[in-house]
Amino acid sequence: QLQLQESGPGLVKPSETLSLTCTVSGGSISSSSYYWGWIRQPPGKGLEWIGSIYYSGSTYYNPSLKSRVTISVDTSKNQFSLKLSSVTAADTAVYYCARVLDDYGDNWVDYWGQGTLVTVSS
Amino acid sequence: QPVLTQSSSASASLGSSVKLTCTLSSGHSSYIIAWHQQQPGKAPRYLMKLEGSGSYNKGSGVPDRFSGSSSGADRYLTISNLQSEDEADYYCETWDSNTQVFGGGTKLTVL
Repeated sequence: QLQLQESGPGLVKPSETLSLTCTVSGGSISSSSYYWGWIRQPPGKGLEWIGSIYYSGSTYYNPSLKSRVTISVDTSKNQFSLKLSSVTAADTAVYYCARVLDDYGDNWVDYWGQGTLVTVSS
Repeated sequence: QPVLTQSSSASASLGSSVKLTCTLSSGHSSYIIAWHQQQPGKAPRYLMKLEGSGSYNKGSGVPDRFSGSSSGADRYLTISNLQSEDEADYYCETWDSNTQVFGGGTKLTVL
């Protein structure tokens, strides 16, 4: 059964870089049928898509975050990662990694990780 | 870029049915969407993909009580025979050029 597990620091200081890794088990990150994405949810608020990556390294970012976001993939470890620079308190959220099914140009999230809370505070 | 609009809240009685709505913005009425359920304190869960024709494909293990339908720019999620565990936030999702968009979510209360 597919499992996605987020890992990384739960506390990040303002102006620093948030770094998270998602480890995929029970399936290959190199499958041509899927993208792999990051989505976040501030406390008490809705979902915000951050960006996605294909196993080949092609990336797609939310325009509102694009200047601060880098998503990368390591197929040898079956992992993909998120870096968000120059964080502020507004970046405090639960961060989810997710699998995005690609169906001939239609793509939607079909599997979610359990999420990890990242708090930005000094 | 499409925009998805959802009512902030809905309520229905235990054992009854409820129909949640997700509305696509002008010019995007033919778009396919996905529905996700987020129970309190848990990660979201994929429920189904829903096309403009009303055809839908559910995720693994999603009960038969959940169904989808469409009318114009509106996409619906109907939950029949409401159970207490259906009390949750429900989000719709769509996409355009490999970018994902989420609606604001509907908080469903089971009375």
